[in-house]
Amino acid sequence: DVKVTQSSRYLVKRTGEKVFLECVQDMDHENMFWYRQDPGLGLRLIYFSYDVKMKEKGDIPEGYSVSREKKERFSLILESASTNQTSMYLCASTEGVNEQFFGPGTRLTVL
Amino acid sequence: GDSVTQMEGPVTLSEEAFLTINCTYTATGYPSLFWYVQYPGEGLQLLLKATKADDKGSNKGFEATYRKETTSFHLEKGSVQVSDSAVYFCALLYSGTYKYIFGTGTRLKVLA
Repeated sequence: DVKVTQSSRYLVKRTGEKVFLECVQDMDHENMFWYRQDPGLGLRLIYFSYDVKMKEKGDIPEGYSVSREKKERFSLILESASTNQTSMYLCASTEGVNEQFFGPGTRLTVL
Repeated sequence: GDSVTQMEGPVTLSEEAFLTINCTYTATGYPSLFWYVQYPGEGLQLLLKATKADDKGSNKGFEATYRKETTSFHLEKGSVQVSDSAVYFCALLYSGTYKYIFGTGTRLKVLA
């Protein structure tokens, strides 16, 4: 059974902290994605990666960076967390241009 | 630009009622169309898809037909169950790209 896992389901951080969200997929997929989900706004793409060490900005990359050192792992980094980054973060992976497989999400609260 | 528009929620229905969730899209080409479902506390999972005009996607009693003439991909189910309560997302994807465009989601509540 295919699987995308995220390091935490719930996370509480303070303003200014550096935050790491980890995502691991076991399907050997090339492409991985980070979205944030907010009520009334749906899913917005932050970054995606189409290969190890390769990345492209999505629609809302400001305040975020990413790292993909290994094919199965894609990390989202909040360099200095702010309250407006309180959200649900979803990771997804896909092989080629196809169905996306999502992780369960990390609900991040920044105080 | 390209976009996906879904009906506002929440949609509240009684068990065994007929469901329609509207989805229309704006696109310059011929994208693939998807419905994803998000159950409480979980990530999204694919419900059904259609890759070309007049295709019908179906799964778990849900159906949607790719209508190029009306640029629509409405989700339907003949008889909903309490277990169908979830948020439903319509999305499009262009061949040769990686970028999905998602609608804002429609929450469905089914009452026993």
